[in-house]
Amino acid sequence: GAVVSQHPSWVICKSGTSVKIECRSLDFQATTMFWYRQFPKQSLMLMATSNEGSKATYEQGVEKDKFLINHASLTLSTLTVTSAHPEDSSFYICSARDSGGGGGNEQFFGPGTRLTVL
Amino acid sequence: AQSVTQLDSQVPVFEEAPVELRCNYSSSVSVYLFWYVQYPNQGLQLLLKYLSGSTLVKGINGFEAEFNKSQTSFHLRKPSVHISDTAEYFCAVTSASSGYSTLTFGKGTMLLVSP
Repeated sequence: GAVVSQHPSWVICKSGTSVKIECRSLDFQATTMFWYRQFPKQSLMLMATSNEGSKATYEQGVEKDKFLINHASLTLSTLTVTSAHPEDSSFYICSARDSGGGGGNEQFFGPGTRLTVL
Repeated sequence: AQSVTQLDSQVPVFEEAPVELRCNYSSSVSVYLFWYVQYPNQGLQLLLKYLSGSTLVKGINGFEAEFNKSQTSFHLRKPSVHISDTAEYFCAVTSASSGYSTLTFGKGTMLLVSP
C-alpha cells in the first residue's frame, strides 16, 4: 500500500514551453501533497505544499506564477512549470500524506520526474 | 525552526563491514525523525522513523537508528553492509514548530560499498 506515482518519469522540452507533471496517490487519499526539487547530488528542497481544494502554500523564493500547482482531487496534484528555461532543469519529486492517518505523519514519495529544458 | 545536519557527504566502506551514517538535528520543540534511501534516478524510500517510544528504531534492510535527545542525534547504523546498499541516504526532521507538516532534509550521505 501507500503508493505514489508520477507522470511522466522524464521529459525534455524546449525553452519557453510549459510542462505539466502529475502526482497521484494510488491506494489512499491525500488532502496534502508536497512538491520538492532536487538538483544533482543535492538534497530535496521543498517547493510548495499542495492542499486539496485550496491554494498551494509556496516556500520562500519559489515563484508561484512559474510553478503552478493544482490539487483538484484527493488523489491528484499537478505541477506545471510555465515558460520553462534551462535553469528549471531538475529532478522534481512529489510526496503525499495519507488523509486517513495511515502511516502517521509519514510522507510517501513518488519516483520523481526528470525535467530537461533545452 | 527545524534543521538537519549530515556531517559526512560520502562514506566509503567495504562489503560486510559495519557502517554508521551521522545525523544531527536542531529544534527547540518535539521532533519526528526519518531516514530515507534514494537509489539513482528514483524517489525516496523510507528506511525507518522515530515518532515516540523506544529510542532504538529498527527499519528495513537491516538498518537501525538511535534517537539521542541529549545529543540531538539520530545516527543510522547497519552491522554488515552489502554492495546493494550503495545509495544516497537522507535524514529528515519534522517538528511541532511546523505542526509536524513539513519535512526538512539533510544534504545527504552517499554510502559507497565496495567488494
